[in-house]
Amino acid sequence: DQQVKQNSPSLSVQEGRISILNCDYTNSMFDYFLWYKKYPAEGPTFLISISSIKDKNEDGRFTVFLNKSAKHLSLHIVPSQPGDSAVYFCAASGPGTASKLTFGTGTRLQVTL
Amino acid sequence: DSGVTQTPKHLITATGQRVTLRCSPRSGDLSVYWYQQSLDQGLQFLIQYYNGEERAKGNILERFSAQQFPDLHSELNLSSLELGDSALYFCASSVGNKLYQETQYFGPGTRLLVL
Repeated sequence: DQQVKQNSPSLSVQEGRISILNCDYTNSMFDYFLWYKKYPAEGPTFLISISSIKDKNEDGRFTVFLNKSAKHLSLHIVPSQPGDSAVYFCAASGPGTASKLTFGTGTRLQVTL
Repeated sequence: DSGVTQTPKHLITATGQRVTLRCSPRSGDLSVYWYQQSLDQGLQFLIQYYNGEERAKGNILERFSAQQFPDLHSELNLSSLELGDSALYFCASSVGNKLYQETQYFGPGTRLLVL
């Protein structure tokens, strides 16, 4: 039962353009969402999070949007840079989940020159 | 650098053996989490400790166990290893003073290969 889904396994974007990574969830108890970036042979690096009381959170080039009615969130990276090339994981937690994170399967972003 | 350290970085062992993975959380963090990432899988939550006590359990096999010591470092013990246990094992930590909505910071992982 995949409660957090990232339906696009990969995405290719040109440098300078916007990257949009999507994530859907099914568990309505989730109320905290995070995005992590992962390079090969390294651990996931925290990027940005959003609580369910908000619908948008910005941090520099990264913005996360949350649509609770659609159970959908997205990560926007503007402008995309070659160093952004990595696997991006969406994760969620909620009061019924005892703070454990439930992860999606990841989207591999490739930013081309 | 997240401040979470894990040792060893790589581990190669044989089926039936037992190994111990070690994790030191970020300074000041009381909660430690263990996750497993198998080939082509997302990260799967195994277990959480908070200030020495088990707080939550996920899909952790009975052959696996963990503990958190008074200095807050944690160990994950994997025994009677099988080929399917080959995976990346990540430790994460968080402050731990809230029941949820906490950001977890991950270590670099231990890559386990069972031959």
